[in-house]
Amino acid sequence: EVQLVQSGAEVRKPGATVKISCKVSGHTFIDYYVHWVQQAPGKGLEWMGLVDPEDGKTIYAQKFQGRVTITADTSTDTAYMEVSSLRSEDTAVYYCGTKLESWGQGTLVTVSS
Amino acid sequence: DFVMTQTPLSLSVTPGQPASISCKSSQSLLHSDGKTYLHWYLQKPGQSPQLLIYEVSKRFSGVPDRFSGSGSGTDFTLKLSRVEAEDVGIYYCMQSIQLRTFGQGTKVEIK
Repeated sequence: EVQLVQSGAEVRKPGATVKISCKVSGHTFIDYYVHWVQQAPGKGLEWMGLVDPEDGKTIYAQKFQGRVTITADTSTDTAYMEVSSLRSEDTAVYYCGTKLESWGQGTLVTVSS
Repeated sequence: DFVMTQTPLSLSVTPGQPASISCKSSQSLLHSDGKTYLHWYLQKPGQSPQLLIYEVSKRFSGVPDRFSGSGSGTDFTLKLSRVEAEDVGIYYCMQSIQLRTFGQGTKVEIK
Protein backbone atom coordinates (compact mmCIF):
# COMPACT_ATOMS: atom_id res chain seq x y z
CA GLU A 1 0.00 0.00 0.00
CA VAL A 2 1.38 3.39 -0.97
CA GLN A 3 1.56 5.85 1.92
CA LEU A 4 2.50 9.51 1.95
CA VAL A 5 3.09 10.97 5.39
CA GLN A 6 3.51 14.71 5.67
CA SER A 7 5.07 16.79 8.40
CA GLY A 8 2.95 18.60 10.94
CA ALA A 9 1.26 21.98 11.01
CA GLU A 10 3.43 25.09 10.91
CA VAL A 11 2.96 28.70 11.98
CA ARG A 12 5.18 31.39 10.50
CA LYS A 13 5.38 35.16 10.44
CA PRO A 14 5.15 37.09 7.17
CA GLY A 15 8.46 37.10 5.34
CA ALA A 16 9.61 33.82 6.85
CA THR A 17 10.23 30.48 5.12
CA VAL A 18 8.54 27.12 5.66
CA LYS A 19 9.61 23.67 4.46
CA ILE A 20 7.16 20.76 4.46
CA SER A 21 8.15 17.12 4.05
CA CYS A 22 6.36 14.19 2.43
CA LYS A 23 7.69 10.70 3.21
CA VAL A 24 6.74 8.13 0.57
CA SER A 25 6.54 4.39 1.16
CA GLY A 26 4.97 1.41 -0.59
CA HIS A 27 6.45 1.99 -4.03
CA THR A 28 9.81 2.75 -5.57
CA PHE A 29 10.29 6.44 -4.87
CA ILE A 30 12.03 7.28 -8.12
CA ASP A 31 9.31 5.69 -10.28
CA TYR A 32 6.69 8.43 -9.83
CA TYR A 33 6.60 12.21 -9.81
CA VAL A 34 5.64 13.85 -6.53
CA HIS A 35 3.09 16.65 -6.97
CA TRP A 36 2.18 19.44 -4.55
CA VAL A 37 -1.26 21.04 -4.30
CA GLN A 38 -2.40 24.10 -2.34
CA GLN A 39 -5.84 24.49 -0.78
CA ALA A 40 -6.48 27.90 0.76
CA PRO A 41 -9.20 28.10 3.43
CA GLY A 42 -12.60 27.47 1.86
CA LYS A 43 -11.08 27.29 -1.61
CA GLY A 44 -10.43 24.60 -4.20
CA LEU A 45 -7.37 22.57 -5.12
CA GLU A 46 -4.58 24.31 -7.00
CA TRP A 47 -1.66 22.43 -8.52
CA MET A 48 1.67 23.98 -7.55
CA GLY A 49 4.34 21.86 -9.15
CA LEU A 50 6.13 18.55 -9.25
CA VAL A 51 9.49 16.91 -8.80
CA ASP A 52 10.85 13.90 -10.63
CA PRO A 53 12.69 12.06 -7.83
CA GLU A 54 14.81 10.19 -10.34
CA ASP A 55 16.72 13.26 -11.50
CA GLY A 56 15.43 16.08 -9.32
CA LYS A 57 13.90 18.00 -12.21
CA THR A 58 11.03 20.26 -11.28
CA ILE A 59 8.14 22.00 -13.01
CA TYR A 60 6.14 24.78 -11.35
CA ALA A 61 2.82 26.38 -12.08
CA GLN A 62 3.43 29.97 -13.12
CA LYS A 63 1.73 31.33 -10.01
CA PHE A 64 4.20 29.52 -7.75
CA GLN A 65 7.37 30.06 -9.74
CA GLY A 66 10.00 31.99 -7.81
CA ARG A 67 8.94 31.54 -4.15
CA VAL A 68 8.34 27.80 -4.14
CA THR A 69 11.08 25.16 -4.26
CA ILE A 70 10.31 21.45 -4.54
CA THR A 71 13.03 18.88 -3.95
CA ALA A 72 13.39 15.13 -3.45
CA ASP A 73 15.82 13.14 -1.33
CA THR A 74 16.23 9.62 -2.67
CA SER A 75 18.22 8.55 0.40
CA THR A 76 15.12 8.95 2.57
CA ASP A 77 12.33 8.66 -0.05
CA THR A 78 11.13 12.08 1.00
CA ALA A 79 9.95 15.05 -1.03
CA TYR A 80 10.03 18.61 0.25
CA MET A 81 8.19 21.79 -0.59
CA GLU A 82 9.57 25.11 0.60
CA VAL A 83 7.82 28.47 0.39
CA SER A 84 9.84 31.62 1.04
CA SER A 85 8.86 35.24 1.69
CA LEU A 86 5.60 34.02 3.18
CA ARG A 87 2.51 36.22 3.00
CA SER A 88 -0.90 35.84 4.55
CA GLU A 89 -2.25 34.50 1.24
CA ASP A 90 0.02 31.46 1.65
CA THR A 91 -2.08 30.29 4.60
CA ALA A 92 -3.38 26.98 3.30
CA VAL A 93 -3.32 23.22 3.54
CA TYR A 94 -0.64 21.75 1.32
CA TYR A 95 -0.93 18.22 -0.04
CA CYS A 96 1.66 16.01 -1.68
CA GLY A 97 0.58 13.27 -4.05
CA THR A 98 1.94 10.58 -6.34
CA LYS A 99 0.34 8.73 -9.21
CA LEU A 100 -3.35 9.68 -9.30
CA GLU A 101 -4.63 8.03 -6.18
CA SER A 102 -2.07 8.54 -3.44
CA TRP A 103 -2.17 11.66 -1.29
CA GLY A 104 -0.62 12.80 1.94
CA GLN A 105 -2.83 13.83 4.84
CA GLY A 106 -2.15 17.52 4.27
CA THR A 107 -0.10 20.09 6.17
CA LEU A 108 -1.65 23.32 7.43
CA VAL A 109 0.61 26.34 7.13
CA THR A 110 -0.59 29.46 8.90
CA VAL A 111 1.08 32.79 8.14
CA SER A 112 0.29 35.37 10.78
CA SER A 113 2.05 38.19 12.56
CA ASP B 1 -2.72 26.64 -19.97
CA PHE B 2 -5.68 24.40 -19.36
CA VAL B 3 -8.87 25.76 -17.81
CA MET B 4 -11.31 23.28 -16.29
CA THR B 5 -14.86 24.56 -15.79
CA GLN B 6 -17.30 22.66 -13.60
CA THR B 7 -21.05 23.14 -13.39
CA PRO B 8 -22.93 23.46 -11.18
CA LEU B 9 -20.77 24.78 -8.33
CA SER B 10 -23.20 23.44 -5.77
CA LEU B 11 -25.85 20.77 -5.67
CA SER B 12 -28.43 19.82 -3.06
CA VAL B 13 -29.75 16.31 -3.58
CA THR B 14 -32.41 14.18 -1.93
CA PRO B 15 -31.02 10.80 -0.83
CA GLY B 16 -31.73 8.14 -3.44
CA GLN B 17 -32.00 10.65 -6.25
CA PRO B 18 -29.48 10.99 -9.09
CA ALA B 19 -26.98 13.79 -9.52
CA SER B 20 -24.78 14.94 -12.36
CA ILE B 21 -21.72 17.21 -12.59
CA SER B 22 -20.29 18.61 -15.79
CA CYS B 23 -16.64 19.39 -16.48
CA LYS B 24 -15.44 21.18 -19.59
CA SER B 25 -11.80 21.56 -20.57
CA SER B 26 -10.41 24.46 -22.60
CA GLN B 27 -8.41 21.96 -24.69
CA SER B 28 -8.85 18.36 -25.71
CA LEU B 29 -7.72 15.82 -23.14
CA LEU B 30 -7.31 13.07 -25.73
CA HIS B 31 -3.67 12.04 -25.91
CA SER B 32 -1.94 10.52 -28.93
CA ASP B 33 -1.70 7.29 -26.91
CA GLY B 34 -5.45 6.97 -27.20
CA LYS B 35 -6.16 7.69 -23.54
CA THR B 36 -8.13 10.66 -22.26
CA TYR B 37 -6.61 12.16 -19.14
CA LEU B 38 -9.64 13.33 -17.21
CA HIS B 39 -10.21 12.18 -13.65
CA TRP B 40 -12.71 12.78 -10.84
CA TYR B 41 -12.05 13.21 -7.13
CA LEU B 42 -14.19 13.57 -4.04
CA GLN B 43 -12.89 15.54 -1.09
CA LYS B 44 -14.91 14.77 2.00
CA PRO B 45 -14.88 17.35 4.82
CA GLY B 46 -11.51 17.42 6.57
CA GLN B 47 -9.98 14.78 4.31
CA SER B 48 -7.55 14.53 1.43
CA PRO B 49 -9.04 14.11 -2.04
CA GLN B 50 -9.88 10.54 -3.01
CA LEU B 51 -9.83 9.24 -6.56
CA LEU B 52 -13.21 8.11 -7.86
CA ILE B 53 -12.86 7.85 -11.63
CA TYR B 54 -9.76 7.90 -13.82
CA GLU B 55 -9.43 8.23 -17.59
CA VAL B 56 -13.01 9.43 -17.97
CA SER B 57 -14.90 6.29 -17.02
CA LYS B 58 -12.74 3.80 -15.10
CA ARG B 59 -13.84 3.38 -11.50
CA PHE B 60 -10.96 3.28 -9.04
CA SER B 61 -10.65 0.29 -6.72
CA GLY B 62 -13.40 0.19 -4.09
CA VAL B 63 -15.53 2.94 -5.64
CA PRO B 64 -19.23 2.00 -5.64
CA ASP B 65 -20.82 1.40 -9.02
CA ARG B 66 -23.33 4.20 -8.40
CA PHE B 67 -20.50 6.49 -9.57
CA SER B 68 -19.95 6.64 -13.32
CA GLY B 69 -18.05 8.88 -15.69
CA SER B 70 -18.53 9.64 -19.34
CA GLY B 71 -17.47 12.07 -22.03
CA SER B 72 -14.78 12.70 -24.59
CA GLY B 73 -12.50 15.40 -25.91
CA THR B 74 -13.38 18.45 -23.86
CA ASP B 75 -16.76 17.59 -22.29
CA PHE B 76 -17.17 15.22 -19.39
CA THR B 77 -19.79 14.19 -16.86
CA LEU B 78 -19.76 12.50 -13.47
CA LYS B 79 -23.03 10.81 -12.55
CA LEU B 80 -24.22 9.47 -9.23
CA SER B 81 -27.13 7.14 -9.85
CA ARG B 82 -28.47 7.33 -6.29
CA VAL B 83 -26.93 9.81 -3.88
CA GLU B 84 -26.22 8.57 -0.39
CA ALA B 85 -25.39 10.56 2.75
CA GLU B 86 -21.73 9.48 2.57
CA ASP B 87 -21.38 11.13 -0.86
CA VAL B 88 -21.37 14.66 0.56
CA GLY B 89 -18.28 16.70 -0.13
CA ILE B 90 -16.65 18.58 -2.96
CA TYR B 91 -16.14 16.92 -6.32
CA TYR B 92 -13.28 17.97 -8.56
CA CYS B 93 -12.38 17.09 -12.10
CA MET B 94 -8.70 17.17 -12.97
CA GLN B 95 -6.75 16.97 -16.22
CA SER B 96 -3.35 15.31 -16.34
CA ILE B 97 -2.56 15.39 -20.06
CA GLN B 98 -0.28 18.34 -19.38
CA LEU B 99 0.85 18.70 -15.77
CA ARG B 100 -2.34 18.99 -13.69
CA THR B 101 -5.29 21.38 -13.50
CA PHE B 102 -8.35 21.08 -11.27
CA GLY B 103 -11.85 22.33 -11.83
CA GLN B 104 -13.26 24.79 -9.28
CA GLY B 105 -15.09 22.04 -7.44
CA THR B 106 -18.78 21.19 -7.00
CA LYS B 107 -20.13 21.07 -3.47
CA VAL B 108 -22.70 18.30 -2.99
CA GLU B 109 -24.95 18.35 0.02
CA ILE B 110 -27.93 16.28 1.11
CA LYS B 111 -31.39 17.84 1.35
